[in-house]
Amino acid sequence: GENVEQHPSTLSVQEGDSAVIKCTYSDSASNYFPWYKQELGKGPQLIIDIRSNVGEKKDQRIAVTLNKTAKHFSLHITETQPEDSAVYFCAVYSSASKIIFGSGTRLSIRP
Amino acid sequence: DAGVIQSPRHEVTEMGQEVTLRCKPISGHNSLFWYRQTMMRGLELLIYFNNNVPIDDSGMPEDRFSAKMPNASFSTLKIQPSEPRDSAVYFCASSLQGPGNTIYFGEGSWLTVV
Repeated sequence: GENVEQHPSTLSVQEGDSAVIKCTYSDSASNYFPWYKQELGKGPQLIIDIRSNVGEKKDQRIAVTLNKTAKHFSLHITETQPEDSAVYFCAVYSSASKIIFGSGTRLSIRP
Repeated sequence: DAGVIQSPRHEVTEMGQEVTLRCKPISGHNSLFWYRQTMMRGLELLIYFNNNVPIDDSGMPEDRFSAKMPNASFSTLKIQPSEPRDSAVYFCASSLQGPGNTIYFGEGSWLTVV
C-alpha cells in the first residue's frame, strides 16, 4: 500500500524566515496531494493542494511543489509569522482511493 | 455556512461504559469520514461512508467500535465497552465525492476513558 513519510517532525524558524516541509510517497499513481494545518484544539484545515498534472502552486505566502519523478512534494512558507505556528500534515490520495496522512510537522515560529 | 459539527466536544467516561460520538457533515457533502488522532499513531482513518454506505471500514479497531450513517446529515461512532486505550481525539470529516477532494474536518471529540 501507499507509504507517506514526512520530515522534519519538528521545525523551529525565526519569524520572517522561510519554512520547508517535505513528504515522500511510494505509489507512483497517486494524483492528489493536499496539505493541512492543525492549530491547537482544532481539526486539520486544508491550506493548499496540488494535483499531479501541476508542478507548483502558490497562494500568497504558501507554495507547494511536486516532483512526480522523485515522488516527493514540499510545502514552502515564506515570511513566516507567529500565526503560522501549528502542526502541518501532508496527505496523498493513492490509486487505492485512499487518502494517507503523513505523521505531521510541528512548526514553531520564534519571535 | 456551517462546517462539520461534532458532539460532544469533550467526554470523560469510565472504562466499560458505552460512548457515542455524533457528527453532522456539511450539507451537500456525500462522503463522511471518522478519524482517530493520537500522539503515537497520528491520524488514522477508522471508516469512510459514501452516500450513507460504508465503503472502507478496514481501520475500525475491533468489534467494540461501530459506526452508522442513517441519513445524509447524521452519523454516529459508538464504542462499547470503552477502554483506556480508546482515549484519543475523534474527528469527523466530510467531502464532496470521496477522499480525492478537499476533506473538511470538525473540531473533534476529545475522549478520555479512565
